[in-house]
Amino acid sequence: KNQVEQSPQSLIILEGKNCTLQCNYTVSPFSNLRWYKQDTGRGPVSLTIMTFSENTKSNGRYTATLDADTKQSSLHITASQLSDSASYICVVSELQGFQKLVFGTGTRLLVSP
Amino acid sequence: ETGVTQTPRHLVMGMTNKKSLKCEQHLGHNAMYWYKQSAKKPLELMFVYNFKEQTENNSVPSRFSPECPNSSHLFLHLHTLQPEDSALYLCASSQDEATQYFGPGTRLLVL
Repeated sequence: KNQVEQSPQSLIILEGKNCTLQCNYTVSPFSNLRWYKQDTGRGPVSLTIMTFSENTKSNGRYTATLDADTKQSSLHITASQLSDSASYICVVSELQGFQKLVFGTGTRLLVSP
Repeated sequence: ETGVTQTPRHLVMGMTNKKSLKCEQHLGHNAMYWYKQSAKKPLELMFVYNFKEQTENNSVPSRFSPECPNSSHLFLHLHTLQPEDSALYLCASSQDEATQYFGPGTRLLVL
């Protein structure tokens, strides 16, 4: 069964610190992997997208990595800000059908002042 | 703003009520989606419309009825819901298989 597992489930860090969120998947065949940020009371917003051949992708203070061999991805947040408090969802797309997306349950991040 | 709007943002309904959720996208996309997001669960795809034609229906109960009158509008008609249907209902749109843009969601509570 295609699955996406994220860890940790939740995380609290101090403002200004760095953190790394993990995503492991079993989706096959693989098309691409996206990280979304979901603020409380809002819909998810795409941060990065990586295909099979890409190892890393940055979007400001967010850097995503992908190891397609081990089926692992990480999202690194540098110099965290209070506005980074949100849920971060890893989404893997299957290489078949129309937009066959498999969603993780997300990591809830709280950045504390 | 993502270019996808949803109304209402919050809805409380009894199990015998009939209500509708509305989604509108201003991005010129050709595909629209309904998702259900429950606490501590992954987003669940409910319906997909591609060029106004429904292409996916992931075994959603018939008490949920989608309607897509054109490529910019999507409705989810609700009737005789159950308390376990309480969740955040998210609408999204995309151009073909590119990144999906999500609306803010409708928080639904079924009493």
